[in-house]
Amino acid sequence: QVQLVQSGAEVKKPGASVKVSCKPSGYTFTGHYMHWVRQAPGQGLEWMGWINPNSGDTNYAQKFQGRVTMTRDMSINTGYMELTSLKSDDTAVYYCARDVGYSGTYYIFDYWGQGTLVTVSS
Amino acid sequence: DIQMTQSPSSLSASVGDRVTITCRASQSIRTYLNWYQHRPGKAPKLLIYAASTLQSGVPSRFTGSGSGTDFTLTISSLQAEDFATYFCQQSYTSPWTFGQGTKVEIK
Repeated sequence: QVQLVQSGAEVKKPGASVKVSCKPSGYTFTGHYMHWVRQAPGQGLEWMGWINPNSGDTNYAQKFQGRVTMTRDMSINTGYMELTSLKSDDTAVYYCARDVGYSGTYYIFDYWGQGTLVTVSS
Repeated sequence: DIQMTQSPSSLSASVGDRVTITCRASQSIRTYLNWYQHRPGKAPKLLIYAASTLQSGVPSRFTGSGSGTDFTLTISSLQAEDFATYFCQQSYTSPWTFGQGTKVEIK
C-alpha cells in the first residue's frame, strides 16, 4: 500500500535551517509529483510547493520563494524540503503529499505523510 | 489568492446523524474542489475530488456537491471513525488554498 514516511520532529533556533525528509513506498517514486504543505498551530493548511521527482523540477509558492528548496535523492527514493532563515511563525507541522496525477500535477493530494513538527524557538 | 471559508468551524453530532459541512470560495473555482479527512495522529486522507467524485476506497456515506463558489460535504450516517477534522481545498489556481477546517466531535 502507498505510504509516505517523514523524518522526526525538529527544534530549531531562529535564523537556522531545517530539512525534512519524505520517503514514499508502494508506488513508483518518479511517477508522481511530491507536494509540501504546512499547518501552523491554530491555522489552516498552506501549500508550499512541489517537486517533480523524475526531473527535479520545482515550483514554489511565492511566499516561500528564496527560503525553500525541494530536492530528491533518486538513489533512495526520498524527497526533501529545506526551509532556511527560520522564524517563530515557521513553527508548524510540515507534510509531504503525493499528487494524484501520473507524470503531471492536478494539485489533488491523494496520500500524505504523517507530518513533521518543526518548532522554532530561542 | 482564493479564500476558502468553511462552516461551521466545529460541530457536535452522534453516531447515525447526518452531517453537512459547507465550503465557500471567494471566487468561482468551477468544480476544482477537494475534501480531506484528518484524524489526530494520522495522515490526512483524500475523500472527494472534483467536487463530487468519491476517492477509491472511501465509503459511500460521504458525498460532495456544488460548483462555482458553494460546496457541500455530507456524511449520511456518521460512524465512530468519522470523528475528525474535514477540510476543503481548491485546485483551480495557484496558490492552492485550503479551508480552515471543520472539527466533527462526538455529542
